[in-house]
Amino acid sequence: TQLLEQSPQFLSIQEGENLTVYCNSSSVFSSLQWYRQEPGEGPVLLVTVVTGGEVKKLKRLTFQFGDARKDSSLHITAAQPGDTGLYLCAGRVGDDKIIFGKGTRLHILP
Amino acid sequence: NAGVMQNPRHLVRRRGQEARLRCSPMKGHSHVYWYRQLPEEGLKFMVYLQKENIIDESGMPKERFSAEFPKEGPSILRIQQVVRGDSAAYFCASSGQETQYFGPGTRLLVL
Repeated sequence: TQLLEQSPQFLSIQEGENLTVYCNSSSVFSSLQWYRQEPGEGPVLLVTVVTGGEVKKLKRLTFQFGDARKDSSLHITAAQPGDTGLYLCAGRVGDDKIIFGKGTRLHILP
Repeated sequence: NAGVMQNPRHLVRRRGQEARLRCSPMKGHSHVYWYRQLPEEGLKFMVYLQKENIIDESGMPKERFSAEFPKEGPSILRIQQVVRGDSAAYFCASSGQETQYFGPGTRLLVL
């Protein structure tokens, strides 16, 4: 069984602090996506990483794909209340199988 | 440029009734995925379809659940004889190549 483990499961920090959340697996992925989901809505794609070692930045968010394409991290600088949400990582295995982690529930306190 | 559309957004059924959830993929996308999400959980894969074909249904319960994606019209996830445990948010996603784009979901409540 292929699993994507996300950690931490829950994170509550003060506005302005930095944080990193992780996505780990024993499987190799051809690509990996990060999504953010807000209550009552569907997941919204943040980024897709494809190449081992790849780093992508989206304003205050930095995404890294591990060299072996088995893990990824999301770093948020100077967190803001608008960053609150459920962050999901999803890895593509083969041509059509996508596996989701259970998510990190992030809460930024004003 | 419409995104993935799902309807209804909310659906209430009594035990034993049927639930039909619809999904229209993004324009130009021919792949549809259905997921189920329980409160405080991630997304669980149910089924992957292309037009008129079920590619992978390894996540579908063996009974009461079925899915189709006809040549014309939306993809439909059908749940027969619903039970309370079917209450969840059901999300559809469509993709062209690498990335999936999600609809807003249908929240099913079984009384």
